[in-house]
Amino acid sequence: SQTIHQWPATLVQPVGSPLSLECTVEGTSNPNLYWYRQAAGRGLQLLFYSVGIGQISSEVPQNLSASRPQDRQFILSSKKLLLSDSGFYLCAWSVGLDQPQHFGDGTRLSIL
Amino acid sequence: GENVEQHPSTLSVQEGDSAVIKCTYSDSASNYFPWYKQELGKRPQLIIDIRSNVGEKKDQRIAVTLNKTAKHFSLHITETQPEDSAVYFCAAKEGSQGNLIFGKGTKLSVKP
Repeated sequence: SQTIHQWPATLVQPVGSPLSLECTVEGTSNPNLYWYRQAAGRGLQLLFYSVGIGQISSEVPQNLSASRPQDRQFILSSKKLLLSDSGFYLCAWSVGLDQPQHFGDGTRLSIL
Repeated sequence: GENVEQHPSTLSVQEGDSAVIKCTYSDSASNYFPWYKQELGKRPQLIIDIRSNVGEKKDQRIAVTLNKTAKHFSLHITETQPEDSAVYFCAAKEGSQGNLIFGKGTKLSVKP
C-alpha cells in the first residue's frame, strides 16, 4: 500500500533562517505531488504541485520554492524565512490530477 | 478560475442528529468533488468523493449529493457521533484537468 512521510513534524525557526521540508511517497510510481499551507483556522492553500521529476508549478508568488529531485521526493525550501511563513505545511500525493489526494501528517512551522 | 464557497463555517448538533454542509462552485467544467475530515492537529483525510456523472453517493452514515445545474454539492452525516467532531473541507477540481480548490472549512461539533 502507499504511504507518505513528511518531516519534521514541528519546526521553530528564526526570521531570516533557511528552510527545508521533505516529503517522500512509498508504494507508487510517478505520483503527482503537492505542497499546501494551512494558516491557523483557515483552509488549504496550494503552493506547488509536480507531475514529474524536475517539473514544478507554482500557484502563488511567495518566499518559498519547491524541488523534486527524485520521483517520490518533494522538497519545500526557503532561503530566508518571514514571519508570514508560519503555518501548517502539508504534502499530498495522487495518482493523477483527477484522483483523490492523500495527505501527509504535516509540519507545524513557527517563525520567531 | 474556480471558486468554492462552503457553509456554514461552524455547525453544532446533538448526538444522533443529522448534519449537512453545503458547498457551491463556479467552474461548470469541474468534474470531481472530494470531502475531507480534519481532526485537530491532524492531516486531512478523504471521507467521500463524487464525480460529475453521479448525483449521489453513500457510504454508511455519510452521503454526498451533487447538483450540476445549480453547481452545488452537499455532505450529509446521519446519526452523528461525538467522534464526527472535526473540521470538514469540500473541494472541487478546477476545470477538467486542474488542481483541487478547497472551501474554507466547517467546524462540526457533536454534543453528547
